[in-house]
Amino acid sequence: GAVVSQHPSRVICKSGTSVKIECRSLDFQATTMFWYRQFPKKSLMLMATSNEGSKATYEQGVEKDKFLINHASLTLSTLTVTSAHPEDSSFYICSARELGTSGTYEQYFGPGTRLTVT
Amino acid sequence: AQSVTQPDIHITVSEGASLELRCNYSYGATPYLFWYVQSPGQGLQLLLKYFSGDTLVQGIKGFEAEFKRSQSSFNLRKPSVHWSDAAEYFCAVGSSGGSYIPTFGRGTSLIVHP
Repeated sequence: GAVVSQHPSRVICKSGTSVKIECRSLDFQATTMFWYRQFPKKSLMLMATSNEGSKATYEQGVEKDKFLINHASLTLSTLTVTSAHPEDSSFYICSARELGTSGTYEQYFGPGTRLTVT
Repeated sequence: AQSVTQPDIHITVSEGASLELRCNYSYGATPYLFWYVQSPGQGLQLLLKYFSGDTLVQGIKGFEAEFKRSQSSFNLRKPSVHWSDAAEYFCAVGSSGGSYIPTFGRGTSLIVHP
């Protein structure tokens, strides 16, 4: 199947700084990418849907000014956590969607990025 | 709105025993249904999916799931569990049609005893 990569896999930053997480579809073009946040022992919470070349659509309760998403190309989306605080510490997972041969969408997940804000 | 319920937070089985993880969904039309597995600190891997057709779906790693519309269920099964199956398992439902975004259940943690 298709591969989605994330970088970095782990990052530790100080409170008040910004952190950028990259998500790449390695062998396919993804017109749509998704960003999820996963709390310990919890399900994945969809944060936003990112379409190439347009503004991201944020889910209710997600601060768009804090979680900046850019989807500049068909293979790259970035999530920037601005002015990070300890409560932003979490596991962030991206996902990329591809239109499969059956005419339905296939969704592939990255390995996740563990963010720790000290 | 679509939703998924995984009633079991933890399931403990002995290695070699059979396994069934429960999943109930809520969706008005025919859903797209998925099971994903997540090992500690890792992303999600798709085990299997149901879009249409045969209601018994075969997946990777010896897993299967059965779609039962009358019960709004999509339970995951494996006849003989291996220690390497210990992980978090997520059921997800997506809207039917050409475009969907899956909604995940809270997950079931599988513990395998030797």
